[in-house]
Amino acid sequence: AQKITQTQPGMFVQEKEAVTLDCTYDTSDQSYGLFWYKQPSSGEMIFLIYQGSYDEQNATEGRYSLNFQKARKSANLVISASQLGDSAMYFCAMREEVTSYDKVIFGPGTSLSVIP
Amino acid sequence: NAGVTQTPKFQVLKTGQSMTLQCAQDMNHEYMSWYRQDPGMGLRLIHYSVGAGITDQGEVPNGYNVSRSTTEDFPLRLLSAAPSQTSVYFCASSYSRVGGADTQYFGPGTRLTVL
Repeated sequence: AQKITQTQPGMFVQEKEAVTLDCTYDTSDQSYGLFWYKQPSSGEMIFLIYQGSYDEQNATEGRYSLNFQKARKSANLVISASQLGDSAMYFCAMREEVTSYDKVIFGPGTSLSVIP
Repeated sequence: NAGVTQTPKFQVLKTGQSMTLQCAQDMNHEYMSWYRQDPGMGLRLIHYSVGAGITDQGEVPNGYNVSRSTTEDFPLRLLSAAPSQTSVYFCASSYSRVGGADTQYFGPGTRLTVL
């Protein structure tokens, strides 16, 4: 069963507008972490933001914020004031504990295109 | 620091050939992992290691071997290449178990084509 779901294969947003990228996850762990990564067309993976399952406040990093709804098992990424350079693939990922070790599992990604 | 380095950047193999993808990091990270990225499927974990001498399987380990003899290096071996292994391979590392905000640092990737 897929543990990370990103239901939006492609999204468009007008420059300077805000956009929300959806992510839902499935885990029976009480302790886990959620990440968002950006992959531009050049191919590198860029870390954006992290949310721990016990963090009471939503994580924010500059123009990025994570809308964490634990009961719904969702961790949506909000990008405010979109810029042309935000056009990229965005991946949601989850760290969960397996025995004593952690695994990080990625979702299929959402392609974001920012329109001038 | 060079960060996470991967070699080669590109490789073409024939079915049945074997090869090793190299990954090295100079950040003294304990945790290293290998992913493959296929269109529409995100990154899938192949193998990972929590320290020298300790490795474990990820989601898609079949057809791949790993070993971790040093903290710095984590090579990925393809035993007998198959067209289904055509993919982009990423190596990643982090300081410890991927806990808290210990994010993974990714290498630039190796694009592998198996004919």
